[in-house]
Amino acid sequence: AQSVTQPDIHITVSEGASLELRCNYSYGATPYLFWYVQSPGQGLQLLLKYFSGDTLVQGIKGFEAEFKRSQSSFNLRKPSVHWSDAAEYFCAVGPTGGGNKLTFGTGTQLKVEL
Amino acid sequence: GAVVSQHPSWVICKSGTSVKIECRSLDFQATTMFWYRQFPKQSLMLMATSNEGSKATYEQGVEKDKFLINHASLTLSTLTVTSAHPEDSSFYICSARGTSRGTEAFFGQGTRLTVV
Repeated sequence: AQSVTQPDIHITVSEGASLELRCNYSYGATPYLFWYVQSPGQGLQLLLKYFSGDTLVQGIKGFEAEFKRSQSSFNLRKPSVHWSDAAEYFCAVGPTGGGNKLTFGTGTQLKVEL
Repeated sequence: GAVVSQHPSWVICKSGTSVKIECRSLDFQATTMFWYRQFPKQSLMLMATSNEGSKATYEQGVEKDKFLINHASLTLSTLTVTSAHPEDSSFYICSARGTSRGTEAFFGQGTRLTVV
């Protein structure tokens, strides 16, 4: 069965500092990987996705993620965090094709200190 | 990206009543829609998958008679919580996928249901 682990429940960073959110997955085949962001009381917005090709994926809002098959990881990074980045971040995995049902991690709550 | 709209954004209902939540794809035909439930400070749990014109496929542990899903058109799916109880209070999110939009599924903004 597929699963996603986000080891960090909460992360606090200072504005302008770099950010890395961890995501590890378990999947029997080639995974389709996503990062979503959720603001309070809102739905999910796709930040970026990976299913093949270059293992370093660029997304919206200055985010990037790197797929490392050997480590079963898909960590999200941003060089300089802005206060508006404070939100809940979810990593998700799905079968190749991506539109089918996704399995989400438990999320990481990001707090940004000014 | 494509636009998926949920209505209402929030709803409060009395215990024992039924509540209908709508999920609409505004600029594409959604051949498949997914309904998720999210408890406070927890992740999204898939409840069911519905394909237009077919019966929904429910995940294990989800009561199909309690959570009625209808996907009668390519732009609208509805989730009806029947005989709602306080434990049904949650955040419900839909996502929609259409062949014209590749394979990505787009999420609605969610509906906060509170049963009192």
